[in-house]
Amino acid sequence: KAGVTQTPRYLIKTRGQQVTLSCSPISGHRSVSWYQQTPGQGLQFLFEYFSETQRNKGNFPGRFSGRQFSNSRSEMNVSTLELGDSALYLCASSLEASKFLTSTDTQYFGPGTRLTVL
Amino acid sequence: GESVGLHLPTLSVQEGDNSIINCAYSNSASDYFIWYKQESGKGPQFIIDIRSNMDKRQGQRVTVLLNKTVKHLSLQIAATQPGDSAVYFCAENPSLSNTGKLIFGQGTTLQVKP
Repeated sequence: KAGVTQTPRYLIKTRGQQVTLSCSPISGHRSVSWYQQTPGQGLQFLFEYFSETQRNKGNFPGRFSGRQFSNSRSEMNVSTLELGDSALYLCASSLEASKFLTSTDTQYFGPGTRLTVL
Repeated sequence: GESVGLHLPTLSVQEGDNSIINCAYSNSASDYFIWYKQESGKGPQFIIDIRSNMDKRQGQRVTVLLNKTVKHLSLQIAATQPGDSAVYFCAENPSLSNTGKLIFGQGTTLQVKP
């Protein structure tokens, strides 16, 4: 099976612009979570989508949004970019959250999209 | 507050030795824990996971130990190899209601000396 894929791998934007990142989960996986990774804050949870619905959200401003399509592919959007948004954005997919009547199951990560805001 | 912490930022071991990476978590309601390995320029790679109803789980050359009494997690790597050099993260799911969310520790860099 192919792993989680993310496009593009690298992006350079300027302050004030917006950006859309894409994530294709492992085939058959229905849950997609997004994370931001920075040297200072580490890996932080952005949001999780399941069956085209946002089920969980982290503590990020409303400039960060996402969506999921019927084929489980997901996109995240950041509007009005700030310098501090420079980070590695990672998505992770899992088979079906709560399948085992627990909160989540194994998340597999993509290679990430490296966003640089100038 | 929510936090998953690692005791040491960098661990240096000799090739062939066993490595132990430790992690402390703060949320006693956490029911699921994962160890990830991240190499430079790549996303985190799943190593092994454990649920809160277990205290030990073994994989290929790796063992995860969970001590819920002291909220401590460890990853043991047997016969460490140069290819094991990477940053290792522990992660927890904080509660049953937090679907799809993992809280990550800051990471421990494992350096393997040949």
